[in-house]
Amino acid sequence: SQTIHQWPATLVQPVGSPLSLECTVEGTSNPNLYWYRQAAGRGLQLLFYSVGIGQISSEVPQNLSASRPQDRQFILSSKKLLLSDSGFYLCAWSVFPGSGANVLTFGAGSRLTVL
Amino acid sequence: RKEVEQDPGPFNVPEGATVAFNCTYSNSASQSFFWYRQDCRKEPKLLMSVYSSGNEDGRFTAQLNRASQYISLLIRDSKLSDSATYLCVVKPGGGATNKLIFGTGTLLAVQP
Repeated sequence: SQTIHQWPATLVQPVGSPLSLECTVEGTSNPNLYWYRQAAGRGLQLLFYSVGIGQISSEVPQNLSASRPQDRQFILSSKKLLLSDSGFYLCAWSVFPGSGANVLTFGAGSRLTVL
Repeated sequence: RKEVEQDPGPFNVPEGATVAFNCTYSNSASQSFFWYRQDCRKEPKLLMSVYSSGNEDGRFTAQLNRASQYISLLIRDSKLSDSATYLCVVKPGGGATNKLIFGTGTLLAVQP
């Protein structure tokens, strides 16, 4: 069965510090991968998605970047965090929509507080 | 106008009650619709897909009205364990990804 892992689960970082969140998926090949952010009182916002190694699409201009160095690994990064980067970051995966399964499965999330 | 709009609630209902949540979406070309459930400080999990003819899964019934661009979720015989935030989710169109648009969610609190 497929599983998705995210880490770290919680982190507190000072403004201006770097960030690296990691996500890995097991039990599937060539998944579509996504990074979402959920800020307090707001809906989930899609930040990045990837349909393959090295292929990253950004949905909104921001202080963050993403990379996909391996088929089942997705990394979210920042060189200098802002207060507004605080939130609940969720990695998700799905199969290619053409398979008929349009379901997103989320990791447990990484809760970031920037002070 | 937001792409997906939901009443944020909270909906406070007693155990055993029937409760309905509504959701509207702005993109008439939207193709797929879902309800996700999110427990406090946890990740969202798929509750059910929403099909054009309406569908039922136990105590949960989902309906879609494409003409009005409206989705609903009905929960019968509410349980304490149903307390959560319910997210209305829409896939705006075709393409190679599942770029889903999430509503901000409706909070349900079932009281003993």
